[in-house]
Amino acid sequence: QKEVEQDPGPLSVPEGAIVSLNCTYSNSAFQYFMWYRQYSRKGPELLMYTYSSGNKEDGRFTAQVDKSSKYISLFIRDSQPSDSATYLCAMNAGGTSYGKLTFGQGTILTVHP
Amino acid sequence: GAGVSQTPSNKVTEKGKYVELRCDPISGHTALYWYRQSLGQGPEFLIYFQGTGAADDSGLPNDRFFAVRPEGSVSTLKIQRTERGDSAVYLCASSFGTSGSLSYNEQFFGPGTRLTVL
Repeated sequence: QKEVEQDPGPLSVPEGAIVSLNCTYSNSAFQYFMWYRQYSRKGPELLMYTYSSGNKEDGRFTAQVDKSSKYISLFIRDSQPSDSATYLCAMNAGGTSYGKLTFGQGTILTVHP
Repeated sequence: GAGVSQTPSNKVTEKGKYVELRCDPISGHTALYWYRQSLGQGPEFLIYFQGTGAADDSGLPNDRFFAVRPEGSVSTLKIQRTERGDSAVYLCASSFGTSGSLSYNEQFFGPGTRLTVL
């Protein structure tokens, strides 16, 4: 079983919809949680960063972390066609592993006009 | 340059050959990372450097894989006796390696080198 599980989709929504993306994980040592966005043939870019449990909002994006359930989410409000990409959750245990990110499989999102 | 650059962008080789993949990090970034991304999968950690030294090489799959960063800037990932299973996109990333968790978690990725082993 992988340390980080993410539904690969694909997910297709109309413009303006609210999108919910999720990951579960098994390693209780993870304490830093990230969402990266990857466009086709490009490297991932950091969207959201959260430490420990709680919510964080940045514009149309909201990240939630529930460490008790080992579950993280990313919500996108008022989705736009330019949001069409692969969304990757990533986690870091810190400590001696502070440079090592563990990624989910990625969810392919398409927002159609 | 403004971002992480990787060369070549594409590499096709034959099984058993040796390949080198190069990464130029963002100027001033002391930490450098290598990941491998297979089709339909997320990036898989290989190794990361803090300065010239490998701080964690636990992700290298076997002794055919080796990476260096001799002057603390450019890095080269070397693969000996390539196998078809090595075919993937090899991503390099860099970040500030100073104290503070965000500096390690905000990794700036290059576009990758697409390696195909025939």
